[in-house]
This record gives sequence, C-alpha cells and structure tokens, in this order.
Amino acid sequence: KQEVTQIPAALSVPEGENLVLNCSFTDSAIYNLQWFRQDPGKGLTSLLLIQSSQREQTSGRLNASLDKSSGRSTLYIAASQPGDSATYLCAVLKAAGNKLTFGGGTRVLVKP
Amino acid sequence: DGGITQSPKYLFRKEGQNVTLSCEQNLNHDAMYWYRQDPGQGLRLIYYSQIVNDFQKGDIAEGYSVSREKKESFPLTVTSAQKNPTAFYLCASRDRSREAFFGQGTRLTVV
Repeated sequence: KQEVTQIPAALSVPEGENLVLNCSFTDSAIYNLQWFRQDPGKGLTSLLLIQSSQREQTSGRLNASLDKSSGRSTLYIAASQPGDSATYLCAVLKAAGNKLTFGGGTRVLVKP
Repeated sequence: DGGITQSPKYLFRKEGQNVTLSCEQNLNHDAMYWYRQDPGQGLRLIYYSQIVNDFQKGDIAEGYSVSREKKESFPLTVTSAQKNPTAFYLCASRDRSREAFFGQGTRLTVV
C-alpha cells in the first residue's frame, strides 16, 4: 500500500527566506506526483505536476523535483511572501489504476 | 468557466438522516473522486470513478454511497451508517494528463 509522508508538519519562516518542503513515498511505481496548495476552509489548488519520467518542474517562484528511485520530491518556493502562507500537500498517482494518495501536508507560515 | 462545482458549501445533518453532496464538472474529465478531510489531517479517499456507471471503493467507503449516471456528475450520499460524518468533503476530477483538479469543498456538520 502506498504511503506518502510530509515532513515537517508545520514550518514558520521570515519573509524573503526560501522554503523547502519535503514529500516521501514508499512505492516508486508512480505515474506522477502533484503538489497542491490549500488555504483554510478552501479546496485544493494545483501548483505543479511532475510526470514520473521528469526530474523537475518550474512555475514562477516554485520548483519541484522528483527522485522516483528514492521515493522523494521537494518543493522549493523562492523568496517567500506572507501570501505563501497555506498548507501544501503532495499526492502521488499509482502507475496502475487511478488511486491518488495524499500526504498529511505541511502548514507554512511566512512572517512579515 | 471550466471547473468543479460542489454544493452546498455548508450542510447540516441530523442524527439518522441521509444527506447527498453534489459534485458537477464541466471539464469533460472521465475520472472523478471523493475525499474526506478531518481537522489537521490529510485527505482520505472515499470513492472514485473512472467512467460512467462504474465506481470503486476507496480506503474509507463504509457509510457512504455514490452514483455515476452522467459523466459530469458524481454525487456522494452520506448515510446514517456513517457514525462520524462531520468533516470537510472534497470532490476532484482528473484529465488525460492525469492532473487532478478540486472543487471548493462541502463542510458537513452533524447537529
């Protein structure tokens, strides 16, 4: 059974500092990995999708890497801003089938 | 605008009552999902459907039922058999690139 873990569960940084969020998964037979942002009481917003054949994806200040063999992905957010405060979740899609499994999330607070 | 619409945003259920949460998408996606989120926890899969008239149980299907009569719609019924239904429910759909998109959620409270 696929298990997805995100450490740390919470993170607080001063504005301007770079953020590094970690995601690990136990079964490397994945089709893709997706990073989401969730604001309190809201749904999930897709940030980045990395296919299993890719090593990284970038969008603006966001960069996500994927090392499938070691079961790890890292989301980097450059020059953090207070508006980046949210919970960030990663999810992996099994290569066979359609189950999307989520990590517990990392709650981020960027202090002005 | 294309997207996923969940309704209602807030729902209150009395003990022993069945309630149905609506999820509609106009993205022409084949796959649709229902997740449950409890405070401070990640998302747990309730049911998912890959195609019309077909669906599979997720990790916590007991006390829930679904139907998929139309591609655009995937309603979730929370039955009286679900003993702890108070939670935030999220619906998602997935496109051919296998990117998932979510609705804004329904908060269900037992009164």
